[in-house]
Amino acid sequence: TAGITQAPTSQILAAGRSMTLRCTQDMRHNAMYWYRQDLGLGLRLIHYSNTAGTTGKGEVPDGYSVSRANTDDFPLTLASAVPSQTSVYFCASSDTTGVYEQFFGPGTRLTVL
Amino acid sequence: GQNIDQPTEMTATEGAIVQINCTYQTSGFNGLFWYQQHAGEAPTFLSYNVLDGLEEKGRFSSFLSRSKGYSYLLLKELQMKDSASYLCAVMDSNYQLIWGAGTKLIIKP
Repeated sequence: TAGITQAPTSQILAAGRSMTLRCTQDMRHNAMYWYRQDLGLGLRLIHYSNTAGTTGKGEVPDGYSVSRANTDDFPLTLASAVPSQTSVYFCASSDTTGVYEQFFGPGTRLTVL
Repeated sequence: GQNIDQPTEMTATEGAIVQINCTYQTSGFNGLFWYQQHAGEAPTFLSYNVLDGLEEKGRFSSFLSRSKGYSYLLLKELQMKDSASYLCAVMDSNYQLIWGAGTKLIIKP
């Protein structure tokens, strides 16, 4: 079982360019999340989706957008990248019953120059 | 506001025991999680506490006191592979996880 996959693994992006980070899960989890992780800070929630067709804003949503057309995929788009968006991005998913344990993808390391 | 506090870094000796503390203030409480994250890798789930008391899972145990807003992760018989960051996270009233900055644990031989 693959669990959660993310692509690309890493990317260098020129400021002002757009980019979509891909995330796919095969666990049929209802909920999916996008976090960014920066040195010295905890994981910060960018956007989330509790079920296919719905999305919500997290702690740091500005400059990012998401869509949830189906259960498995949850892409994150940067419309016009800025250097402050340099970070490691993790996608996660969880069931919405029981413990709500979140399972994480391997991450995408993004550098905006 | 919401806040999760844990030490930035701890050092321990192989074979010893270490306790990593976490204190929290959140809007609502639906459980506390501990995750392990090796450098350059994704976080992986270690433990979950929603009721007061100690949960034991092999060499790892996690304790919760809801009245004190306090948890700890206890690691016994430390091994070199335990060198990692340990992340404390609280699930708030909206079932979102609020994360601490993590504790980097360094194990020395």
